[in-house]
Amino acid sequence: EIVLTQSPTTMAASPGEKVTITCRASSSVSYMHWYQQKPGASPKPWIYDTSKLASGVPNRFSGSGSGTSYSLTISSMETEDTATYYCQQWSSNSLTFGSGTKLEIK
Amino acid sequence: QVNLLQSGAALVKPGASVKLSCKASGYTFTDYYIHWVKQSHGKSLEWIGYINPNSGYTNYNEKFKSKATLTVDKSTNTAYMELSRLTSEDSATYYCTRWGAAIPFAYWGQGTLVTVSS
Repeated sequence: EIVLTQSPTTMAASPGEKVTITCRASSSVSYMHWYQQKPGASPKPWIYDTSKLASGVPNRFSGSGSGTSYSLTISSMETEDTATYYCQQWSSNSLTFGSGTKLEIK
Repeated sequence: QVNLLQSGAALVKPGASVKLSCKASGYTFTDYYIHWVKQSHGKSLEWIGYINPNSGYTNYNEKFKSKATLTVDKSTNTAYMELSRLTSEDSATYYCTRWGAAIPFAYWGQGTLVTVSS
């Protein structure tokens, strides 16, 4: 099973600040996907195939990476971005999620 | 529009079983696998497995092979997950979800809260 380790676990950013969340895989994966989850709600697809934005996702979000290291970046933090973000991979018929990064506004 | 409607919250006793449902609408049920995901309170997401509604083929996360059983009823476009020999570790919210045309886990049910308590 491929283990995904996210960092940081929690963070707070000021409005307008650049934010980067990292996801490291225990073995190389071809793609990484990201989900946003707000309290009491189901997760939403956010970034897929490493760098493609899901429908409705603001273009201040971006994704990048390859191999064992991937990241989600917010160019300019906004209040509505407060949420928990999870990375996810599927390879060798095994699917795993990262431990999550809780992002708050300062 | 695609909709996955899950059954309501369940309170079950330790050692018992529970069967959760996920009723699909807005698309051809047999065209997409249904996956199930566990989220313990305040914790991350765990993939349980998936079922191919067309063939009934299942693929489980090794961790859940003896815990979860996935089935479907094509006549009602409903997927089911039965959890057996429940313990407090099984208390969690369980989601059904499916891929979009190109987007992983594009659609999610609203989740079913399972509480295991005597």
